[in-house]
Amino acid sequence: AQSVSQHNHHVILSEAASLELGCNYSYGGTVNLFWYVQYPGQHLQLLLKYFSGDPLVKGIKGFEAEFIKSKFSFNLRKPSVQWSDTAEYFCAVNAGYGGATNKLIFGTGTLLAVQP
Amino acid sequence: GAVVSQHPSRVICKSGTSVKIECRSLDFQATTMFWYRQFPKQSLMLMATSNEGSKATYEQGVEKDKFLINHASLTLSTLTVTSAHPEDSSFYICSARALRGRGYNEQFFGPGTRLTVL
Repeated sequence: AQSVSQHNHHVILSEAASLELGCNYSYGGTVNLFWYVQYPGQHLQLLLKYFSGDPLVKGIKGFEAEFIKSKFSFNLRKPSVQWSDTAEYFCAVNAGYGGATNKLIFGTGTLLAVQP
Repeated sequence: GAVVSQHPSRVICKSGTSVKIECRSLDFQATTMFWYRQFPKQSLMLMATSNEGSKATYEQGVEKDKFLINHASLTLSTLTVTSAHPEDSSFYICSARALRGRGYNEQFFGPGTRLTVL
């Protein structure tokens, strides 16, 4: 069965600090990987996704993530965080080409608090 | 585009009553919608996959008679929590699948419904 692990449950950073959130998944086949963000009081939004090709993917708001197949990882990064990045971040995975199965398996989420 | 709404956003009910939650895709048609449940400080857990015009597919451990899903049109899926009990209190989130090109189906999420059962 697929599973997703997010090791950082709660991260506190000062503005301008660099961010890296870990995500590891367990599945041996083709996977599609996602990072979602949930701002306070808002619904989940897609930050970025990886299907194939360049393992370094760029998303909205200056976020990027790198897929390292050998490590089953898809860590999220941002060089310089802002107060407005305060939110909960979820890593998710589904199996199959083009998201064929569409069953998203979510990690437990990382709550990021950015202090001004 | 690709907006998903849920109604109600919050509901409080007495134990033993049934509650219906609606999920609508506002500007696109969705043959498939998903229902998730999120407990405090935990992740989203997929409950069921709702397909327009057919029976929903439930995940292991989810009682289909407890959580009734109806996907009667291409823009509406409903989740009915029957005979709700306090342990059903949770945050219920739906998503709708939209075809985005190159065969990729992306899920768009609704804002969620907070259910509190007294």
